[in-house]
Amino acid sequence: AQSVTQPDIHITVSEGASLELRCNYSYGATPYLFWYVQSPGQGLQLLLKYFSGDTLVQGIKGFEAEFKRSQSSFNLRKPSVHWSDAAEYFCAVGPPGRGTYKYIFGTGTRLKVLA
Amino acid sequence: DAGVTQSPTHLIKTRGQQVTLRCSPKSGHDTVSWYQQALGQGPQFIFQYYEEEERQRGNFPDRFSGHQFPNYSSELNVNALLLGDSALYLCASSLGRASEAFFGQGTRLTVV
Repeated sequence: AQSVTQPDIHITVSEGASLELRCNYSYGATPYLFWYVQSPGQGLQLLLKYFSGDTLVQGIKGFEAEFKRSQSSFNLRKPSVHWSDAAEYFCAVGPPGRGTYKYIFGTGTRLKVLA
Repeated sequence: DAGVTQSPTHLIKTRGQQVTLRCSPKSGHDTVSWYQQALGQGPQFIFQYYEEEERQRGNFPDRFSGHQFPNYSSELNVNALLLGDSALYLCASSLGRASEAFFGQGTRLTVV
């Protein structure tokens, strides 16, 4: 079955500390991979995406993610967290080559940033 | 450039009623997808519209239906509302079906 697992429901980090959010997926083939961020009461904003090529992907707001095929993972990282990064983060997968057909989302990781 | 816009932003309905949610895609986009996000969960795919036809559907009952208009805007209709339909409904648009999706702010539906 196709699924996305975000094992950390909540993560708390201090401002200026590094961050890594985990994402593992189960899919028949290498899917398209996405990270979205959602602030309270808001929609989803795309942080970055992986379709093919370089496995280290740079996104907006200083985020990056690394695709590891052998581990079926697509972890999100940021070297230094800012208070404004507090939000919920969703990893998603989509069928390769078919773009926006049916994204499958994880259950999200809520990030809290301590001043 | 306006992004994806959804209306209304909030809505309260009674069990058994019907509701219509609306979505205008980002300028230049022709494909609209709808997602349901229950509290504390990730979004779940309801269906996708392209060229005014439903192209793919998720695991949702027939009470959920939609429509896409010639100007690419879309409606999501839910009949015979249940308490469990309370959620944030997100609309996403894209150019064709082979590009990334841009999401709207969502409509918060509360069924009482």
